[in-house]
Amino acid sequence: DADVTQTPRNRITKTGKRIMLECSQTKGHDRMYWYRQDPGLGLRLIYYSFDVKDINKGEISDGYSVSRQAQAKFSLSLESAIPNQTALYFCATSEAGYTYEQYFGPGTRLTVT
Amino acid sequence: AQSVAQPEDQVNVAEGNPLTVKCTYSVSGNPYLFWYVQYPNRGLQFLLKYITGDNLVKGSYGFEAEFNKSQTSFHLKKPSALVSDSALYFCAVRDISRGSQGNLIFGKGTKLSVKP
Repeated sequence: DADVTQTPRNRITKTGKRIMLECSQTKGHDRMYWYRQDPGLGLRLIYYSFDVKDINKGEISDGYSVSRQAQAKFSLSLESAIPNQTALYFCATSEAGYTYEQYFGPGTRLTVT
Repeated sequence: AQSVAQPEDQVNVAEGNPLTVKCTYSVSGNPYLFWYVQYPNRGLQFLLKYITGDNLVKGSYGFEAEFNKSQTSFHLKKPSALVSDSALYFCAVRDISRGSQGNLIFGKGTKLSVKP
């Protein structure tokens, strides 16, 4: 979905390096999410934010941190990358409320060597 | 705990035949159910959702899903498969348990392969 963009699209980094993945959206949604996808495991929630002042840990937040710089921007950081953080990372947005679907960015493929 | 299961890792269908991708769920109240599709090297795209009302939900690209409360299922269907339907399909349920924030819980995905 072009309304949700992620940079970079691909990244190779070394163990111990700090890396930031960025997400921007033009949908005007308050809620933003970071997921990681691993083969056979589906999508797992890392962090989510319901507005600029609200940050919440998801299922697998250890080793990650986030920053909500504005309504439209939500960044994910790996403070010290390790090989088992090699995965496909997705940002998503949604409107508030239980009935609304989420809209996903194109993903960032991260490889930690 | 809320959960969703996709019992098949892969489904193989011949082009023109009907397809079904299975999903079962476990929730403590009324379920909010979603289907997403992921094409190669792309993000997830929303297909359809069940919130309330008619048990047969129609969505994008000719897909539909049938909500069955007694069987706790929400199977994705299409009457006539296309090669271009080949993709990874995810079922998701909204976690509305006490203390949750209403986030989506995703199944592990089912790879659909449609052969000419």
